[in-house]
Amino acid sequence: DAGITQSPRHKVTETGTPVTLRCHQTENHRYMYWYRQDPGHGLRLIHYSYGVKDTDKGEVSDGYSVSRSKTEDFLLTLESATSSQTSVYFCAISEGRGHTDTQYFGPGTRLTVL
Amino acid sequence: GNSVTQMEGPVTLSEEAFLTINCTYTATGYPSLFWYVQYPGEGLQLLLKATKADDKGSNKGFEATYRKETTSFHLEKGSVQVSDSAVYFCALIIGGYSTLTFGKGTMLLVSP
Repeated sequence: DAGITQSPRHKVTETGTPVTLRCHQTENHRYMYWYRQDPGHGLRLIHYSYGVKDTDKGEVSDGYSVSRSKTEDFLLTLESATSSQTSVYFCAISEGRGHTDTQYFGPGTRLTVL
Repeated sequence: GNSVTQMEGPVTLSEEAFLTINCTYTATGYPSLFWYVQYPGEGLQLLLKATKADDKGSNKGFEATYRKETTSFHLEKGSVQVSDSAVYFCALIIGGYSTLTFGKGTMLLVSP
């Protein structure tokens, strides 16, 4: 199994509060990704990173920001959480080999915004 | 844009039945195709992949063939087990990028 951990694994918070989710890898992979999974939508890409301090937006980036100050850590921040951000969040990593790339997923974080 | 369409579930089968989960794609380029599986309460795992037309990916008794002419990558297994119960996601990557586009997933339920 790829060495990917996510913290926390579960979180309940209130609308308007800031929330930070952490993804940590031990594989030294170049690329890291944040997805959200919702019923009827599959997985949708929020943001991704292709190196330290290099990030880009995905399909559903509004309301989210990310930071990557070290190769092994990728943080996802909800500046002011809303109920629509209740979801399961998955981190993934890959070597960044383009079209032959394989992504490896973490165990997920279940976030509930009340 | 790029998109992946999967058959809606749940797919309900008895043990030892034949499985097909349909997947078709639209891509502005020449993609690589993937099947990922998600067991209850877990993250996604790569099941198999194919990177060019007519390639067949296979793993754990599952197979899928990259059909460029029909833009399809259907997942098959000859005899399913209860332990195959999971959600299956079809996905693609376009050459030169490393971001996956996923289908919405198909839940498979296998009963003894």
